[in-house]
Amino acid sequence: GAGVSQSPRYKVAKRGQDVALRCDPISGHVSLFWYQQALGQGPEFLTYFQNEAQLDKSGLPSDRFFAERPEGSVSTLKIQRTQQEDSAVYLCASSLRGRRAFFGQGTRLTVV
Amino acid sequence: SQQGEEDPQALSIQEGENATMNCSYKTSINNLQWYRQNSGRGLVHLILIRSNEREKHSGRLRVTLDTSKKSSSLLITASRAADTASYFCATVRGVGTDKLIFGTGTRLQVFP
Repeated sequence: GAGVSQSPRYKVAKRGQDVALRCDPISGHVSLFWYQQALGQGPEFLTYFQNEAQLDKSGLPSDRFFAERPEGSVSTLKIQRTQQEDSAVYLCASSLRGRRAFFGQGTRLTVV
Repeated sequence: SQQGEEDPQALSIQEGENATMNCSYKTSINNLQWYRQNSGRGLVHLILIRSNEREKHSGRLRVTLDTSKKSSSLLITASRAADTASYFCATVRGVGTDKLIFGTGTRLQVFP
């Protein structure tokens, strides 16, 4: 595709529900990132993949958060037992090694 | 946690004026990047400056980097109403990683 695609664009989840957010990176991009952005704040790093390897997951806030990229392309961020503090925009980005990152439009998650 | 801070947090100017935003960071870096984000939209890459560069230009944008002071500035000349957005700096710390650590952002409002 022409850019990084994220789905769904909007997600409303009841507290305690599990959610899965999808990211389709730009074809051929080795690096893939997930960020969490709260309202009025800068993006906070969650996790980073090079191909299928998850090289850094230091930003995942709890063990309820899990990310995977099994074939080195599409990635899924899963949040189990969602809580209100998980409400945020989740941004995905991809890049070639050592080059600028391209961001998707994000998924706005609202936990009610 | 985020790498750095930006100031001012908010900036309001008239069209035609110049806008200057500053970014400070904490650790040594490989490169520093500036991004723009319109309300409710994804992040758009503006410019990348490497740690061995001191100044870079792109159209109406001028970025400087002072590694001794761990700071960078973004200057937008002859601003337009369409420049209204939030601006973030982001750093890549070392070789072998493309992980971006974002600052807190500056919200720029340009009045026509």
